[in-house]
Amino acid sequence: GAVVSQHPSWVICKSGTSVKIECRSLDFQATTMFWYRQFPKKSLMLMATSNEGSKATYEQGVEKDKFLINHASLTLSTLTVTSAHPEDSSFYICSARTPNSGANVLTFGAGSRLTVL
Amino acid sequence: QKEVEQNSGPLSVPEGAIASLNCTYSDRGSQSFFWYRQYSGKSPELIMSIYSNGDKEDGRFTAQLNKASQYVSLLIRDSQPSDSATYLCAPGTSYDKVIFGPGTSLSVIP
Repeated sequence: GAVVSQHPSWVICKSGTSVKIECRSLDFQATTMFWYRQFPKKSLMLMATSNEGSKATYEQGVEKDKFLINHASLTLSTLTVTSAHPEDSSFYICSARTPNSGANVLTFGAGSRLTVL
Repeated sequence: QKEVEQNSGPLSVPEGAIASLNCTYSDRGSQSFFWYRQYSGKSPELIMSIYSNGDKEDGRFTAQLNKASQYVSLLIRDSQPSDSATYLCAPGTSYDKVIFGPGTSLSVIP
């Protein structure tokens, strides 16, 4: 079945530094990927839609200059949290549409837990 | 009005009982509906999809859809402790993104 690999699983960084999270579709091509953020005991909040070869579409309230998304190939999307602060500590999850399934059937990466000190 | 609403939890049921999870949505254009399960600290996984009014059964899971009422539910029969998780409703949208409900936390007590 479709597999989405996300790396790193855990990352701890100092305040003010930048962190890059990678999301790869291993056995299929993904022209669109979705980035979500989840705070403890809260639901998944869509941050942005990553489109291969074009700019990402950000949800209202998400700072595009702080959360840089690059989708340079059909199998790789990256999310860079720039100048991270403790309030950016969260669980970040990427996903892609499962091939040969409905438009809303998603395959998720394992998630990346970011802790900013 | 929020796009997707789910019954507030946490929901606790004894092992072997039926767990009932509810979801209402605002987009009348939604034609497909999905239930995802998320274990603590893990990513969501798809467990059920339903496209037509009525019931759809898959093992111990039954999804019920009523488009006129903009309501979809998930029933879990013979609940097991391994069913303890957060259940997320995701109606198919008429635009190019997937929005999840707030989730209902289910705890099955042995």
